[in-house]
Amino acid sequence: RKEVEQDPGPFNVPEGATVAFNCTYSNSASQSFFWYRQDCRKEPKLLMSVYSSGNEDGRFTAQLNRASQYISLLIRDSKLSDSATYLCVVPQAGNQFYFGTGTSLTVIP
Amino acid sequence: EPEVTQTPSHQVTQMGQEVILRCVPISNHLYFYWYRQILGQKVEFLVSFYNNEISEKSEIFDDQFSVERPDGSNFTLKIRSTKLEDSAMYFCASSGDRQAGPDTQYFGPGTRLTVL
Repeated sequence: RKEVEQDPGPFNVPEGATVAFNCTYSNSASQSFFWYRQDCRKEPKLLMSVYSSGNEDGRFTAQLNRASQYISLLIRDSKLSDSATYLCVVPQAGNQFYFGTGTSLTVIP
Repeated sequence: EPEVTQTPSHQVTQMGQEVILRCVPISNHLYFYWYRQILGQKVEFLVSFYNNEISEKSEIFDDQFSVERPDGSNFTLKIRSTKLEDSAMYFCASSGDRQAGPDTQYFGPGTRLTVL
């Protein structure tokens, strides 16, 4: 099993839609989880961190399920500016971080 | 808002040449990282650095790579003898902000390395 696996995508959704991405991880000892967004040819930018069962920030909600070893990202009321690649990041032992391959989202007018 | 900076934004080099990629992490951060992203592929961890030494490195970070924090502000990645397959975007990141937590990393804009 890969360290971090994400929905392959791409997701193409209309403006205003709700969309959810999943990410599974292999290391059951991981304590913190992150969602980053990456625009084309740009650096990853932190979207949300998840340390307990979940986190909510405006239209974005992250849920953590430790038993099944997955985290999800829910985006409500999608906007054109949400179009990006969403990266799931899971730290491993020490200071080594694994990125998922990313899920591409395109919000269509 | 403090940010990570990287120079140069684009580096073109000949195969076999040495390159040094430079980063200035956020000033109060304690952990520093290098990642690479080959075009169209995922972000890959290279190395983490804390307290003036490497704390973790991946299989990619072989003997041709080295990192250094030569002064209180810069953090560099040296590739000793570049190969064609080293062509990628190299991102520097830092973390260790007391408020955000030690794992919350902030990335620089990247250096695009092209090896000819």
